Amino acid sequence: LAKTTQPISMDSYEGQEVNITCSHNNIATNDYITWYQQFPSQGPRFIIQGYKTKVTNEVASLFIPADRKSSTLSLPRVSLSDTAVYYCLVGDLNSGYSTLTFGKGTMLLVSP
Amino acid sequence: DTGVSQDPRHKITKRGQNVTFRCDPISEHNRLYWYRQTLGQGPEFLTYFQNEAQLEKSRLLSDRFSAERPKGSFSTLEIQRTEQGDSAMYLCASSPGTSGDTQYFGPGTRLTVL
Repeated sequence: LAKTTQPISMDSYEGQEVNITCSHNNIATNDYITWYQQFPSQGPRFIIQGYKTKVTNEVASLFIPADRKSSTLSLPRVSLSDTAVYYCLVGDLNSGYSTLTFGKGTMLLVSP
Repeated sequence: DTGVSQDPRHKITKRGQNVTFRCDPISEHNRLYWYRQTLGQGPEFLTYFQNEAQLEKSRLLSDRFSAERPKGSFSTLEIQRTEQGDSAMYLCASSPGTSGDTQYFGPGTRLTVL
């Protein structure tokens, strides 16, 4: 069971780049890394997913080193609306969904 | 809107009553999941369907909980004899069932048991 460790909270200011790192030392060969964003009283929203190296979409970038024991979610030029909880998940998305656990996530607070 | 929808969004009930929630997944998705989330915690997996077959159930899913997906489309989650500890947000997600399968979540149903 791949367990993840993230900072409980982070603070930033509008316009800054934010990097949230997640540790997953016992990641398995078939595991993917997925990040979600969640606002209060809403369901989690998919941000980005990767297996290795770097993945970029219109919202964020995901950096995964060669050993895959950690990953970093990068949010460029954050705004106040990026204040949310960010979850890192690691799991084999094609089997064993009960092992896909969310943890407590990282509470990102963006200030003016 | 073609996302995952859940109904109702909020439910208040008295202890001992039965409640039922509905989830409508994204239409072409054959996998459907139920999660429970309490304040300050991340979502916890409850159960998962591949089409109409319920393939996994968490130990969190006690005998008072039952989920169905009769025709492989919408799903229902029923809680019998509700307890105050059942108060939580109940989230539904769906995924296409392809490699790198990504789950997309609905808005959730907030249950309050008095």
